[in-house]
Amino acid sequence: DQQVKQNSPSLSVQEGRISILNCDYTNSMFDYFLWYKKYPAEGPTFLISISSIKDKNEDGRFTVFLNKSAKHLSLHIVPSQPGDSAVYFCAASAIGSQGNLIFGKGTKLSVKP
Amino acid sequence: NAGVMQNPRHLVRRRGQEARLRCSPMKGHSHVYWYRQLPEEGLKFMVYLQKENIIDESGMPKERFSAEFPKEGPSILRIQQVVRGDSAAYFCASSPLGQGFSEAFFGQGTRLTVV
Repeated sequence: DQQVKQNSPSLSVQEGRISILNCDYTNSMFDYFLWYKKYPAEGPTFLISISSIKDKNEDGRFTVFLNKSAKHLSLHIVPSQPGDSAVYFCAASAIGSQGNLIFGKGTKLSVKP
Repeated sequence: NAGVMQNPRHLVRRRGQEARLRCSPMKGHSHVYWYRQLPEEGLKFMVYLQKENIIDESGMPKERFSAEFPKEGPSILRIQQVVRGDSAAYFCASSPLGQGFSEAFFGQGTRLTVV
């Protein structure tokens, strides 16, 4: 039973437009959410995070929105750039989990010039 | 200021052999986490260690897998008597605090292939 779901395996966006990556979760004990970016043959790189006490966190071109009632979060990238093409993983951490991040299966983003 | 270093990057083992994967955390980081990624899957938590202590091994298979993080030297993930299903990418991450409070940094991974 997947606790963190990324239902879109892939997404294609034109350069300069907005990319929206979605993530749903089922465990109401999750209190911290993270987005990671991964290039082939490399480890995941941390992008942005959000605590459950907030509903929005912004860092440059990246904004994460959290809707706790819907158990849904999304990552917005604007404007999208070809270098953003990668696999994006949503991850969640539960209260008292002590380092156990639960990852989604990832969404492959392709930004076309 | 080196990042998280994993070696080897690629490891090929025959069924029944042992695999030893090494992870040197970032300088100043005392918490290490091991994750496994099967093809077309997300990363799955395996184990969380601090120096000389296993904090959470709830994701470790009950048999053949073990991990350690000694006082000196890298963290080691050991897989005994490997089987084809162990073929995966194994990632190590490190952080200065528990991961819920700071963002862990990942290494480049070790790709294990069991033939």
